[in-house]
Amino acid sequence: AQSVTQLGSHVSVSEGALVLLRCNYSSSVPPYLFWYVQYPNQGLQLLLKYTSAATLVKGINGFEAEFKKSETSFHLTKPSAHMSDAAEYFCAASNTGNQFYFGTGTSLTVIP
Amino acid sequence: DADVTQTPRNRITKTGKRIMLECSQTKGHDRMYWYRQDPGLGLRLIYYSFDVKDINKGEISDGYSVSRQAQAKFSLSLESAIPNQTALYFCATSDPGLAGETLNEQFFGPGTRLTVL
Repeated sequence: AQSVTQLGSHVSVSEGALVLLRCNYSSSVPPYLFWYVQYPNQGLQLLLKYTSAATLVKGINGFEAEFKKSETSFHLTKPSAHMSDAAEYFCAASNTGNQFYFGTGTSLTVIP
Repeated sequence: DADVTQTPRNRITKTGKRIMLECSQTKGHDRMYWYRQDPGLGLRLIYYSFDVKDINKGEISDGYSVSRQAQAKFSLSLESAIPNQTALYFCATSDPGLAGETLNEQFFGPGTRLTVL
């Protein structure tokens, strides 16, 4: 079965600083990969997804992620953090689309 | 209107009570899922359904049951609630996409916060 690891359950950055949230997957076959964001008291919203078309994926709100097969990673970045980026972020993977496997989440705090 | 709705949004109940959480969707998707979210554990799959006649257990199905009443409706039941079922519950839908081309993402409801005393 697929597994997804998110390093760092809590990340704090200053406003305007680089955001880097880490995600590694376990499958030897590159899966489909997703990043979701969850704002307080809301459901999950898709930020971006990797479906093998391009290794650098651009998403909403200035986020992007790069798929690196050699590192089995799909880290999420944003060049300049904004206060509105404070939320919980989840990485997810699926090989077949039958089931989706989620990481444990990273809570992002943005310090003014 | 929201594409995926969940009722109730909040529920407090007592140990031993039967509880039903409901999910409705207007996205026309065949696939529906129930997850629970616990702090530090992320989302864990309880049950999923690929059509009205298809029900599958997920990672943590013990203590739960589901009913797919129609393409648009998928209910989760706790027959006899216990305190460790206190969690945030999410319903999600997906459309798998064209085979061999792409895989579409899941769409989530707003969640139901369940507390079992």
